[in-house]
Amino acid sequence: DAGVTQSPTHLIKTRGQQVTLRCSPKSGHDTVSWYQQALGQGPQFIFQYYEEEERQRGNFPDRFSGHQFPNYSSELNVNALLLGDSALYLCASSWGGKGDTQYFGPGTRLTVL
Amino acid sequence: AQKVTQAQTEISVVEKEDVTLDCVYETRDTTYYLFWYKQPPSGELVFLIRRNSFDEQNEISGRYSWNFQKSTSSFNFTITASQVVDSAVYFCALSEAESGGYQKVTFGIGTKLQVIP
Repeated sequence: DAGVTQSPTHLIKTRGQQVTLRCSPKSGHDTVSWYQQALGQGPQFIFQYYEEEERQRGNFPDRFSGHQFPNYSSELNVNALLLGDSALYLCASSWGGKGDTQYFGPGTRLTVL
Repeated sequence: AQKVTQAQTEISVVEKEDVTLDCVYETRDTTYYLFWYKQPPSGELVFLIRRNSFDEQNEISGRYSWNFQKSTSSFNFTITASQVVDSAVYFCALSEAESGGYQKVTFGIGTKLQVIP
């Protein structure tokens, strides 16, 4: 049973560039959530996708956008990168909503120079 | 608004000691879920336990145990006879149903546990 997978593992970008991160959910899961984890902090909720729609969003600017595909996989896009966007980006998958356990992938470490 | 407080940022114990990680939460919902996750140095968050707001039974799983007390809004995690492999950052998290039934999860800042051999 495949768990949550994310790609790439590491990424280095420069300020102003755009980046796309990818996530494949655990088998049987239809919901994908994205989190940003800065060094020494807990994960911060970015948004959640279900049925190819963004249905919940945290306090992140519009530079952060996403997409969910019919096979439930998801992408996180960040435009106009800032130094402060450097973080570990975590994808979590779950089934439906309302308290179902979220299972996390290994994350993508983004460094913005 | 939901909030999770983990007051202990770092704890060091000697191997085989017991250790308790504290978690205090705030929510206005009557239906909510609490979680603990472990994050080893590799970075991946590992699910440990989920508890819903209607189930105050304590739970034990091997050397791990959890104490949920709604009266004090706490969900504490105890590791008995700690081992070096327990060294990690542990996160407490709260999920409440937003309007429309959608789920949003709020994490605490984490407690870094170091078990010294």
